[in-house]
Amino acid sequence: AQTVTQSQPEMSVQEAETVTLSCTYDTSESDYYLFWYKQPPSRQMILVIRQEAYKQQNATENRFSVNFQKAAKSFSLKISDSQLGDAAMYFCAYRSAYPGGTSYGKLTFGQGTILTVHP
Amino acid sequence: KAGVTQTPRYLIKTRGQQVTLSCSPISGHRSVSWYQQTPGQGLQFLFEYFSETQRNKGNFPGRFSGRQFSNSRSEMNVSTLELGDSALYLCASSWGQAAYEQYFGPGTRLTVT
Repeated sequence: AQTVTQSQPEMSVQEAETVTLSCTYDTSESDYYLFWYKQPPSRQMILVIRQEAYKQQNATENRFSVNFQKAAKSFSLKISDSQLGDAAMYFCAYRSAYPGGTSYGKLTFGQGTILTVHP
Repeated sequence: KAGVTQTPRYLIKTRGQQVTLSCSPISGHRSVSWYQQTPGQGLQFLFEYFSETQRNKGNFPGRFSGRQFSNSRSEMNVSTLELGDSALYLCASSWGQAAYEQYFGPGTRLTVT
C-alpha cells in the first residue's frame, strides 16, 4: 500500500515571501500521479498542482511550483510571493496510474500542513 | 461549467439512524469518489464509481455503501450510525476512466449525536 507523509503540521510565512511545504511518499509503483490540494476554512478542496511521475520536469502553476525527486520519493510545494489568500490546509496526495489495481482511482492523502500567512 | 455539488451541506442524526448523502458531479464527468475527513484519521477513501460500477472500495465497514446512477449522480448511505461516523464527507468527480484529476465538492458535514 502507498503512504504519504507530511512532516510539517504547521508552517507560517510573511506575505510576499516564499515558503516550501514538504511531502514524502512510499510506493513500489513506477507510474503514478502526485497532487497538492488546498483546503481553506470553507473546506472546499482545491487542486493546486499535479505532477506525472514519468515527467522529469517539475510542474509549475503561476506562483506554485514543485520539486519532484522521484528517486528520493519527495514532492515539495513551493509558494512564491505568498498572499493572504494562500492561508489554508495543504494536502499532498498520491494516485496510482495502473488500471485495475487495488489503489487505482483513489487518492491517498498526507495528514496536511496548515499554512498561516502573516501580513 | 458548474462544479461538484453535494446535498445536504449539513446534517445532524442520532446514533442508530441511517443517512443518505448525494453528489452531483461536474457535467460530463463519469467517475465519482467519496472520502471521509475527520480530525483524527484525516482524509480516507471510501469508494469510487465509474459508469454505475464500483471500481474500488476503501477499508470501511459494510454499513457504508454507495451507488451511482446512469446520469453519474452518486449517493452514499451509512446505516446504523455511530458517533465515530461524525465527519466531513467529500465527493470528487473526474471525467473519464483513466482521468487522474479529481475535483471536489464542498462536502457534507455529518454530526451524529
